[in-house]
Amino acid sequence: EDKVVQSPLSLVVHEGDTVTLNCSYEVTNFRSLLWYKQEKKAPTFLFMLTSSGIEKKSGRLSSILDKKELFSILNITATQTGDSAVYLCAVGNTDKLIFGTGTRLQVFP
Amino acid sequence: DAGVIQSPRHEVTEMGQEVTLRCKPISGHNSLFWYRQTMMRGLELLIYFNNNVPIDDSGMPEDRFSAKMPNASFSTLKIQPSEPRDSAVYFCASSLPSGAFYEQYFGPGTRLTVT
Repeated sequence: EDKVVQSPLSLVVHEGDTVTLNCSYEVTNFRSLLWYKQEKKAPTFLFMLTSSGIEKKSGRLSSILDKKELFSILNITATQTGDSAVYLCAVGNTDKLIFGTGTRLQVFP
Repeated sequence: DAGVIQSPRHEVTEMGQEVTLRCKPISGHNSLFWYRQTMMRGLELLIYFNNNVPIDDSGMPEDRFSAKMPNASFSTLKIQPSEPRDSAVYFCASSLPSGAFYEQYFGPGTRLTVT
């Protein structure tokens, strides 16, 4: 059965800290791995990764994929209170996206 | 671009009633997905359509759930009869075609409460 596992389940940090979120997967016919941010409403797209070892960056966020070890990490540097959200990892195969249960990040001032 | 549109945004109903959720995908997107999100189970794929045709409905919980996509710009998810355990946020998402079920754009969701 295809599965996507995220860790930790939740994380509490102070502003300015750096955090690393983990996503491991076992999915047949892997095509891509995506990260989404979900605040109070719908998930919003952050990154899509298809190749190992190539880092994607957007401001203070970055992500990298390891297709050999079947995992990805999402890094957030100099965290801000606006980064508080649930971060979802999803793996796409030839048919659909399989979502993990998410990591809930809380950033306090 | 209006994004994915869902209605209603909130629905409160009594057990046994029929509930219909509606979705308008982004224009030009040929794939449409219905998800259910709860605290216990996270985001679950219920069914998805490609070019208006249902491709995989294995996530539909039981026969009380049905979904249709009569044309490229409209889909419905119906629950009949509804039960309290159906209470959740239901998201609709759409994406570009050609097997690119990757970057999906989500609607704002419908929060369903069944009492």
